[in-house]
Amino acid sequence: DAGITQSPRYKITETGRQVTLMCHQTWSHSYMFWYRQDLGHGLRLIYYSAAADITDKGEVPDGYVVSRSKTENFPLTLESATRSQTSVYFCASSELGQVNSPLHFGNGTRLTVT
Amino acid sequence: AQTVTQSQPEMSVQEAETVTLSCTYDTSENNYYLFWYKQPPSRQMILVIRQEAYKQQNATENRFSVNFQKAAKSFSLKISDSQLGDTAMYFCAFSKGVNSGNTPLVFGKGTRLSVIA
Repeated sequence: DAGITQSPRYKITETGRQVTLMCHQTWSHSYMFWYRQDLGHGLRLIYYSAAADITDKGEVPDGYVVSRSKTENFPLTLESATRSQTSVYFCASSELGQVNSPLHFGNGTRLTVT
Repeated sequence: AQTVTQSQPEMSVQEAETVTLSCTYDTSENNYYLFWYKQPPSRQMILVIRQEAYKQQNATENRFSVNFQKAAKSFSLKISDSQLGDTAMYFCAFSKGVNSGNTPLVFGKGTRLSVIA
């Protein structure tokens, strides 16, 4: 099915562990984004990418690493997870090839850091 | 940095009634876009409506319409004939336009809407 897929849907990890959240889209959209959703904060941008091998920081990039070796994949890595990174993470892509186009979102990954 | 403010953390409305969700934003730009997204309990994020700042006409999508007041920097969402399926978190979002340096969407903190039977 065409769309944007995130995995896993739920993840529990321990403080200090490295964890990678996966994001895959089948539309070949150029722009992809990672947001985190926290109660009282709405959605905040972590990183985004305009194309393969091009990434930019968003509002809250500290503690996160991204890569974009292929257009369709945009994984997000927490190098050493902290409790403050417990959140719901959304991957999204931009349908019109522009950074401010309407976004298509994945179903989110709920990450719990214990 | 642009900010988006949703001053109503929670709202409720009776089924079939009309409800208006508020959103204000802060920008010095003249060219920008505004969005409303809906997040039902399934957690899926769904685009409800989009408004381009240079268009004076308010956007409408079926039962959803906006009241865009550019001078007041206000972008409210009106839901007519509310249905139980409208129960969701609603997020207002802003982005700068092409001539203003194109930026990713910035979201407000959300308004949780409950439709009551």
